[in-house]
Amino acid sequence: NAGVTQTPKFRVLKTGQSMTLLCAQDMNHEYMYWYRQDPGMGLRLIHYSVGEGTTAKGEVPDGYNVSRLKKQNFLLGLESAAPSQTSVYFCASSRTGGFATEAFFGQGTRLTVV
Amino acid sequence: KQEVTQIPAALSVPEGENLVLNCSFTDSAIYNLQWFRQDPGKGLTSLLLIQSSQREQTSGRLNASLDKSSGRSTLYIAASQPGDSATYLCAVRDLSSGGYQKVTFGTGTKLQVIP
Repeated sequence: NAGVTQTPKFRVLKTGQSMTLLCAQDMNHEYMYWYRQDPGMGLRLIHYSVGEGTTAKGEVPDGYNVSRLKKQNFLLGLESAAPSQTSVYFCASSRTGGFATEAFFGQGTRLTVV
Repeated sequence: KQEVTQIPAALSVPEGENLVLNCSFTDSAIYNLQWFRQDPGKGLTSLLLIQSSQREQTSGRLNASLDKSSGRSTLYIAASQPGDSATYLCAVRDLSSGGYQKVTFGTGTKLQVIP
């Protein structure tokens, strides 16, 4: 049972470089999310998707883009990395919704922008 | 806008003590509330989920309660152990202004259980 898998686990970027974070889930979940976690700020929602081919902005979307071309994958892109994007990024997934819907998280990607 | 607050931010207790972690939220129109545990450098592990119509959920030494009308939840840990040391996060699921479900997190309570 892989659950939610994030790739890579660690990355160091130079300012201005680009990269893509991959999130894959094998639970056939409709909803997928990208969060960033910063000290004292908690987890903040960057973008989310409610199904294949859909994406929507969360709380802190600036500087990021996402794509959901396949149901099981949710990609987070940084076109021109900035030091302010140094953070731990978490991907999560859940079923379509409802009162019993539980969110499942990946292990995180620690990104440092220098 | 939903806001989730967890108090205290940090807690240190001796082993064997019972303890309560608090979570409050501003908008009571929620689908559910979920408690997570996060170990240093690791991801989030789900502990308990309480649906909006439920009052409490139990798993082993953990008991979570929900008072939706007052916007509060508590996580009770009985007979704490050093292995319980971690950061505990609560999160509520509700509807965003765009009509989609979203999950909003508190900033967590960092628990240290001293042997």
